[in-house]
Amino acid sequence: ELKVEQNPLFLSMQEGKNYTIYCNYSTTSDRLYWYRQDPGKSLESLFVLLSNGAVKQEGRLMASLDTKARLSTLHITAAVHDLSATYFCAVDILKNTGTASKLTFGTGTRLQVTL
Amino acid sequence: ETGVTQTPRHLVMGMTNKKSLKCEQHLGHNAMYWYKQSAKKPLELMFVYSLEERVENNSVPSRFSPECPNSSHLFLHLHTLQPEDSALYLCASSRVRGANTGELFFGEGSRLTVL
Repeated sequence: ELKVEQNPLFLSMQEGKNYTIYCNYSTTSDRLYWYRQDPGKSLESLFVLLSNGAVKQEGRLMASLDTKARLSTLHITAAVHDLSATYFCAVDILKNTGTASKLTFGTGTRLQVTL
Repeated sequence: ETGVTQTPRHLVMGMTNKKSLKCEQHLGHNAMYWYKQSAKKPLELMFVYSLEERVENNSVPSRFSPECPNSSHLFLHLHTLQPEDSALYLCASSRVRGANTGELFFGEGSRLTVL
């Protein structure tokens, strides 16, 4: 059974600081996704990482994937209050083409950026 | 309408009621999903429908019954639910894997409360 673990589960950080959220998974995969969820809202796709060594950046967020270590990181640079949300990583282990995704999600990291 | 739309957004029902959740996607995708999001638990994949397959999570009780009449519409029929079924039910869609990224696009969710 695929297990996806995120840490930390809760992160309180000051504006302007840097921090990293970690996502570990238990089974070989080459597809990893990061989502953001604001309170009472749906999940918004942030990054899709499809190969070992993949790195994607959008604004103050940067995601990377190391498939050998079964690890993805979401790095936050110079945090701002607007980044406060819950961040989820999700892993899809299917290798067959032409089939639907079957993502297993981590428990989420609730990020609170304070002034 | 754009993206993935879910109705109703909020639903309160008794344990003896029968109700349905509706999802419609306007993205031209060919796979649709139901996820359950409970407090302090990871998102749980309940059902997947695509052109080639229907996948059920074996741990989902039979009081939840999905229906997918076409690639754009997905229903979740509810009957004789229990209070522990209270949660946010999220619908998502994607293109079938292969050349596609497998990225899921989520609706706003239906918040269900069972009394």
